[in-house]
Amino acid sequence: DAKTTQPTSMDCAEGRAANLPCNHSTISGNEYVYWYRQIHSQGPQYIIHGLKNNETNEMASLIITEDRKSSTLILPHATLRDTAVYYCIVRVPLIYNQGGKLIFGQGTELSVKP
Amino acid sequence: KAGVTQTPRYLIKTRGQQVTLSCSPISGHRSVSWYQQTPGQGLQFLFEYFSETQRNKGNFPGRFSGRQFSNSRSEMNVSTLELGDSALYLCASSPQPGGQDTQYFGPGTRLTVL
Repeated sequence: DAKTTQPTSMDCAEGRAANLPCNHSTISGNEYVYWYRQIHSQGPQYIIHGLKNNETNEMASLIITEDRKSSTLILPHATLRDTAVYYCIVRVPLIYNQGGKLIFGQGTELSVKP
Repeated sequence: KAGVTQTPRYLIKTRGQQVTLSCSPISGHRSVSWYQQTPGQGLQFLFEYFSETQRNKGNFPGRFSGRQFSNSRSEMNVSTLELGDSALYLCASSPQPGGQDTQYFGPGTRLTVL
């Protein structure tokens, strides 16, 4: 089962920051948080990942709380093309028997509106 | 670099038939994972191959099988197709298996079973 909880849907105005929350209260110390998004029936697109420090790349920023029980994905200036389902995933480390695979939850459907 | 490619993109089969789907990973990537996406169950992990060996397997019946070739290309096979096998089948590649190597997805193969 997925180890994350996300809101089912969110709206965001075009040009504004989109802040997508994710709860992962049972995360272990060596488990990474990954974010992907999927635009209607395309393959999921990797966005960003992190362990304990905040991360930023050209697409987004990832803020992980100090206790690592939750995180927020930030799209700084949302555009209509950011409308997609966003998945927050806690990835089991390779050292465990089923490690490495991605376990997807239901994700958050983000709608960016003009 | 070219991304993950999957062939064919669309496929229509009838119940009882079998099907083979193909995935070519990103150049230099040696790990290939397969996922099934349906409206009811979402994205579910099927199996992962690394160095021509199945390293990880999800909770799917034995009708679902796969293999990997020496050039890291992978195929998955579904025998005795059922209506419920209609889904988007996604392939993802990464340099190595494991929690720190990002998986990059292909566009998927849309299988329809009639």
